[in-house]
Amino acid sequence: EVQLVESGGGLVKPGGSLRLSCAASGFIFSSYTMNWVRQAPGKGLEWVSCITSSSSYIYYVDSVKGRFTISRDNAKNSLYLQMNSLTAEDTAVYYCAREDNVSDGFDIWGQGTMVTVSS
Amino acid sequence: SSELTQDPAVSVALGQTVRITCQGDSLKTYYASWYQQKPGQAPVLVIYYKNNRPSGIPDRFSGSSSGNTASLTISGAQAEDEADYYCNCRDSSGHHLVFGGGTKLTVL
Repeated sequence: EVQLVESGGGLVKPGGSLRLSCAASGFIFSSYTMNWVRQAPGKGLEWVSCITSSSSYIYYVDSVKGRFTISRDNAKNSLYLQMNSLTAEDTAVYYCAREDNVSDGFDIWGQGTMVTVSS
Repeated sequence: SSELTQDPAVSVALGQTVRITCQGDSLKTYYASWYQQKPGQAPVLVIYYKNNRPSGIPDRFSGSSSGNTASLTISGAQAEDEADYYCNCRDSSGHHLVFGGGTKLTVL
């Protein structure tokens, strides 16, 4: 079964750090661009970052640039998001999503992991 | 970056046809994808690359595009189609993805 499973969310104080993980299974992870997408409580989806299959290209939404770092380990079929200098505005459910190789569609999503930034 | 604009809410009578639209300059260059999200669940891709459906998505879902507007049409809406719908595509740089603000579909 094709699956993505996020972990690492939790409660963190403003200014703190957190590392999210996304474990992939059921497909050739190393062949796909992967993305992080977040959704603040009661709000819409926001694309956060993407990393190409061999980590050659990495992009971020402006609001997290310089604070978040996306990475992957193809040997471990895993995607990561290191989040530093967190603020309340980063509070959201964070999803990892696989990007279809032909279109730009996100065809596989994880169940999400909740990140709450609060003192 | 660029923005994608969606109507916040749309309603449709059971069994009728509804169109959900998404507007943005980058849609002149890139095709939109569409996602369905039900409360407490992860989004699900329903349309990609203009008008392609992943396996398992009913054929009542279709997509189209004209100029700076992409549309998701549900022909014969069912009660289970009540959900939030989001469009996305690349922005003008070609490197970033952007989502529309989402449309809450109510099936009456």
